[in-house]
Amino acid sequence: GDSVTQMEGPVTLSEEAFLTINCTYTATGYPSLFWYVQYPGEGLQLLLKATKADDKGSNKGFEATYRKETTSFHLEKGSVQVSDSAVYFCALGFNAGGTSYGKLTFGQGTILTVHP
Amino acid sequence: SQTIHQWPATLVQPVGSPLSLECTVEGTSNPNLYWYRQAAGRGLQLLFYSVGIGQISSEVPQNLSASRPQDRQFILSSKKLLLSDSGFYLCAWSAHERGYGYTFGSGTRLTVV
Repeated sequence: GDSVTQMEGPVTLSEEAFLTINCTYTATGYPSLFWYVQYPGEGLQLLLKATKADDKGSNKGFEATYRKETTSFHLEKGSVQVSDSAVYFCALGFNAGGTSYGKLTFGQGTILTVHP
Repeated sequence: SQTIHQWPATLVQPVGSPLSLECTVEGTSNPNLYWYRQAAGRGLQLLFYSVGIGQISSEVPQNLSASRPQDRQFILSSKKLLLSDSGFYLCAWSAHERGYGYTFGSGTRLTVV
């Protein structure tokens, strides 16, 4: 079945450090890929997405590129802030009109803590 | 614009009591709807999903049930709560198009005591 593997956390960085959170996937077919962020006590928010190979999703200084050849969608940010402290989830999904009914498959989440 | 409402935000219930969590979506029609549970602030477990009124699919057999009485309303219920039902419950919706992803509600923190 489909699966998403994220790097183990927690990740602890100093402010202005470079961030990479690795995400690789296994899927039958050609999924769309997503990164979600969850701040303490809140629901998940879509951070960025990509729907085809070589697409780069970007938002709030975060970027991720859909690499079909390596089945990866690594999240990067050049300079993290304390306010970026959260849990980050990588996910994949297919067309909601297909047999998967639009269900997303999530990774286990990576806790990021940024210190001043 | 589309919005999703989930309530209550927090709930403390005794073991054996009933449960009803409600989720409604505005600004769209015929959404796919989902209930997730998140334990220990990390992993997400899909509980139920629905592709239309009265159509419910269960991913994990458990003490919970779901219903969709209206197009944009999704309810999570239990007749008798267990301690193991404690967790953070998230409702989400998705449109019927490629790459749309989910929009999540703000979640309900349920503590069974």
